[in-house]
Amino acid sequence: DAKTTQPTSMDCAEGRAANLPCNHSTISGNEYVYWYRQIHSQGPQYIIHGLKNNETNEMASLIITEDRKSSTLILPHATLRDTAVYYCIVRAWSMDSNYQLIWGAGTKLIIKP
Amino acid sequence: DSGVTQTPKHLITATGQRVTLRCSPRSGDLSVYWYQQSLDQGLQFLIQYYNGEERAKGNILERFSAQQFPDLHSELNLSSLELGDSALYFCASSAGEGPYNEQFFGPGTRLTVL
Repeated sequence: DAKTTQPTSMDCAEGRAANLPCNHSTISGNEYVYWYRQIHSQGPQYIIHGLKNNETNEMASLIITEDRKSSTLILPHATLRDTAVYYCIVRAWSMDSNYQLIWGAGTKLIIKP
Repeated sequence: DSGVTQTPKHLITATGQRVTLRCSPRSGDLSVYWYQQSLDQGLQFLIQYYNGEERAKGNILERFSAQQFPDLHSELNLSSLELGDSALYFCASSAGEGPYNEQFFGPGTRLTVL
């Protein structure tokens, strides 16, 4: 599996865009990038995922570099409720039973008023 | 609210004991996943069931076992408990069987082993 590297923590001002980087330099062609977040010991929440193209949904945008070695999750207008640990996960999609999500330590994002 | 329910919310027990954690997936979801999260750690995947059958196994100890019943709810059994088993245990469900599917997580069961 491709290993991901994320900053341990980040701050962002409320109302500004939060940009969370993720490095996955060993990613292979069939591996997707997933983002989940976990708000203070609650169950993690899916945010977005992508393969090659940039993706956007109601929560966030995912920008994947052309070489796919890194990506950035963008929360366009951060609110205090976005304070959480954000996990970047890279995993292949396959019918093989062992292709499960592997979670790292994530980035603790703190939104400041 | 993700639609996934877990009971109990908290569980306190002693070393050597056995406990059962229960999970009800979202309506219509066939896959159930179990994860363990120790203090300030990331999630460790334990096991997945799809429509009653074991689909994938992660770092699950031999003292732990799980099953998914015909009504699709799942139970995680933890036996011969040790202090190190104290953790948050999350259940997640998804519609399909591959990890490509978005996983919806329950609120978790906090297990404390004394």
